[in-house]
Amino acid sequence: AQKVTQAQTEISVVEKEDVTLDCVYETRDTTYYLFWYKQPPSGELVFLIRRNSFDEQNEISGRYSWNFQKSTSSFNFTITASQVVDSAVYFCALRGERKSSGDKLTFGTGTRLAVRP
Amino acid sequence: DGGITQSPKYLFRKEGQNVTLSCEQNLNHDAMYWYRQDPGQGLRLIYYSQIVNDFQKGDIAEGYSVSREKKESFPLTVTSAQKNPTAFYLCASSAHYVGVYEQYFGPGTRLTVT
Repeated sequence: AQKVTQAQTEISVVEKEDVTLDCVYETRDTTYYLFWYKQPPSGELVFLIRRNSFDEQNEISGRYSWNFQKSTSSFNFTITASQVVDSAVYFCALRGERKSSGDKLTFGTGTRLAVRP
Repeated sequence: DGGITQSPKYLFRKEGQNVTLSCEQNLNHDAMYWYRQDPGQGLRLIYYSQIVNDFQKGDIAEGYSVSREKKESFPLTVTSAQKNPTAFYLCASSAHYVGVYEQYFGPGTRLTVT
């Protein structure tokens, strides 16, 4: 069985602070894929990043960065110099090997980020 | 513009009535999905379809039905057998070739049953 845990239910920061959203996953597959999605108040999920299990290189995209560590089964997301527009619910998701789980995504329960001006 | 459309955005029904939620995509994706989201919870998979005329149950299929007669369309029917139908419903699609492709989501339909 696959599982994604986002232990932080809600985080509140002041604008320009850095914030890290945690994601811990469980899977028995040797090949798997991790995702982060953003859900603004409008409700639509917006894809942010995909990371393959065989690629542990961290990634930076503007103010966003992702830290993938297989040793601790974590895929954390950091927003640098947060802005009010970053306020949203952020979901981490996991997909295993196609032969075992098809194209199914397992989602965490999400972290609600509130950035105050 | 390519994307996924869901209609309507808000839907109200009386208990005991079946209701069908629409999902259309023009991304030429083979796979489509329906998720349910409840407050404070993640997304839970209801049904998914990897090809036309074929679909599989997800984790919470009871009380729901789907059809996939066209590649572009994947409607979801919430039947009267679904005990707690009030929720936010999200449709998604993805390519289904060798490799991994992320799922893209529609804007969602918020269903309220009273």
